[in-house]
Amino acid sequence: SAVISQKPSRDICQRGTSLTIQCQVDSQVTMMFWYRQQPGQSLTLIATANQGSEATYESGFVIDKFPISRPNLTFSTLTVSNMSPEDSSIYLCSVEEGWTGIGNYGYTFGSGTRLTVV
Amino acid sequence: AQSVTQLDSQVPVFEEAPVELRCNYSSSVSVYLFWYVQYPNQGLQLLLKYLSGSTLVKGINGFEAEFNKSQTSFHLRKPSVHISDTAEYFCAVSLTSGTYKYIFGTGTRLKVLA
Repeated sequence: SAVISQKPSRDICQRGTSLTIQCQVDSQVTMMFWYRQQPGQSLTLIATANQGSEATYESGFVIDKFPISRPNLTFSTLTVSNMSPEDSSIYLCSVEEGWTGIGNYGYTFGSGTRLTVV
Repeated sequence: AQSVTQLDSQVPVFEEAPVELRCNYSSSVSVYLFWYVQYPNQGLQLLLKYLSGSTLVKGINGFEAEFNKSQTSFHLRKPSVHISDTAEYFCAVSLTSGTYKYIFGTGTRLKVLA
């Protein structure tokens, strides 16, 4: 399965600033996904990033707040802009492991970025 | 719309005892089912999945789960847990066609006690 390197692993940021999270995959993948895991809660999909096109955002997430880049098939970044304490979460990137005729294999996740906004 | 309910937010269990983590889902269409594990300060790792076929699915680290369509459940079991199984466990579903999205449950924190 794919191996994902996600950086930084954690950060403490001042409110009003921005943080860019990087996700590097050891193989070429069509779609990369960004999730948010708020304290004590489950994972919520932020957006899907395809190479060469604009990211597709889920309801409640907007490009101005979470701009995403996908310059090639192995790399993506998520920026958390103009941060507030409510943005304190774990952010994870994910890729699909594979696809068969009967469904996908599941997803591989990065180790996450633990963000604290003060 | 689909939803996933993990009934227990925390499950303490003694080492070498059996454990069952419960997962129920709601969907008007067919779904695929997954269990993921998240060890402290790590990402999610796929434990097992049900796509079709046998309703009893075996995964890594000695875990297994049984798909029960009539009860819309996909409970995770292990006959004998180890301290190293202490982690957060997430149940997830995805549609069998159309969208690739996962819907995750809220997670169950398994704490194995010595």
